[in-house]
Amino acid sequence: DVKVTQSSRYLVKRTGEKVFLECVQDMDHENMFWYRQDPGLGLRLIYFSYDVKMKEKGDIPEGYSVSREKKERFSLILESASTNQTSMYLCASSPGDRELQPQHFGDGTRLSIL
Amino acid sequence: AQRVTQPEKLLSVFKGAPVELKCNYSYSGSPELFWYVQYSRQRLQLLLRHISRESIKGFTADLNKGETSFHLKKPFAQEEDSAMYYCALNSGYSTLTFGKGTMLLVSP
Repeated sequence: DVKVTQSSRYLVKRTGEKVFLECVQDMDHENMFWYRQDPGLGLRLIYFSYDVKMKEKGDIPEGYSVSREKKERFSLILESASTNQTSMYLCASSPGDRELQPQHFGDGTRLSIL
Repeated sequence: AQRVTQPEKLLSVFKGAPVELKCNYSYSGSPELFWYVQYSRQRLQLLLRHISRESIKGFTADLNKGETSFHLKKPFAQEEDSAMYYCALNSGYSTLTFGKGTMLLVSP
C-alpha cells in the first residue's frame, strides 16, 4: 500500500517566518504534488514535480517554493509566511506512467500563521 | 481552460434515499475523470475513475461527453457515506483539477 507521510499534522508559525513542510513517499513514484485545501475552494495545486530536481508551478505558486533533492521527498517552502497562508496543505504522489494514474495523498498538515 | 464544477456545497439526504452528486467539466481534450472522497479525519482517497467503469461501495459514475458531466450516484445512501466528495479532471502532465467539493450528509 502506498504511504505518503507528511512530517507534521499541525504547525503554528509566525508571520514572516520561513516555513518548511516535508513530504515523503515510499513507492518510488516519479510525480509529487503540493495542494492547499480551503473550505469552499476545494484543492488548489501549488507546485508539482516530475522527477528529482524538477519542479513546475501549479495554479497558485505565489509565496511558495519547493525542493526535490531526492525522489522520495518533496518539500514545500513558505519563504515569508503570511496569515493568508493559513490552510490545510496536502501532499500527493503518483507513478510516472504514460497513462494517468490516481494520486495518493498524505494526511495533511494544518498550518496556522499567527 | 479546464474547469470542474460541483454546484452543491452540501447535500443532505436520509438513509436509504438515492444520492446524486453532480459534476460538470470543461476540457478541450479527451477527459479523464475521478471521484475522490475524504471521510472525517481521514486522508483524501480515490473512490473511482471513469475508465474503470466499476462500482465502489455502491457508487457509480458515468461519463456523459454530450452533457460534459460525471455525476456520482448511489441508489441507497448509508450513514457511513457521509463525507466530502471531490470530482477531479486530468489537466495534463499527470496533474488534476479538482472541483470545490460537495459535503454529503446522510441522516438516520
